[in-house]
Amino acid sequence: GAVVSQHPSRVICKSGTSVKIECRSLDFQATTMFWYRQFPKQSLMLMATSNEGSKATYEQGVEKDKFLINHASLTLSTLTVTSAHPEDSSFYICSARSGQTYYGYTFGSGTRLTVV
Amino acid sequence: AQKVTQAQTEISVVEKEDVTLDCVYETRDTTYYLFWYKQPPSGELVFLIRRNSFDEQNEISGRYSWNFQKSTSSFNFTITASQVVDSAVYFCALSEAYAGGTSYGKLTFGQGTILTVHP
Repeated sequence: GAVVSQHPSRVICKSGTSVKIECRSLDFQATTMFWYRQFPKQSLMLMATSNEGSKATYEQGVEKDKFLINHASLTLSTLTVTSAHPEDSSFYICSARSGQTYYGYTFGSGTRLTVV
Repeated sequence: AQKVTQAQTEISVVEKEDVTLDCVYETRDTTYYLFWYKQPPSGELVFLIRRNSFDEQNEISGRYSWNFQKSTSSFNFTITASQVVDSAVYFCALSEAYAGGTSYGKLTFGQGTILTVHP
């Protein structure tokens, strides 16, 4: 079945540094990937939709200059949190649209970002 | 705009009890998809079911069952004879149709229901 690999699973970084999170579709081509953020005890909020070869579409209120998304190939999308601050600490999850399969979407296992 | 409401923030039951998780949705689309996911403490999302808007058949899978009623825009989830391993956060989600209904658009999640099953 469709598998999405997300790395790293956990990262701790210093305030002011940048962190890159990778999301790879292992056995299928993902023309569209979605990035979500989840704060503790809250729901998943869509941050942006990433389309291969074009600019990402950001949801209202999400700073595109802070959360850089690159989807340069059909199997890889990256989210870079630039100049991270403690308030960016969260759980980030990517998902890929699995084409017309029953499951619809395949999710990565998530990245827990802690900014100190 | 789409919206999913899970009114129950937290539910606590004792093992072997039946429990129903409510989900109410809003959409202007005539073609859409509804999902339920389980999120254990590890954080990964576990797919449980997908239902499209034209299929109102209820579904049963082992101890899990789902009741989809378009008339009330609800897609409720029942766990029969709950077990401690069922403890998790459960999300209901709604996807708009995309590309003429042949694919899936953005996924909107409900707030989630924290289910705790006590031994």
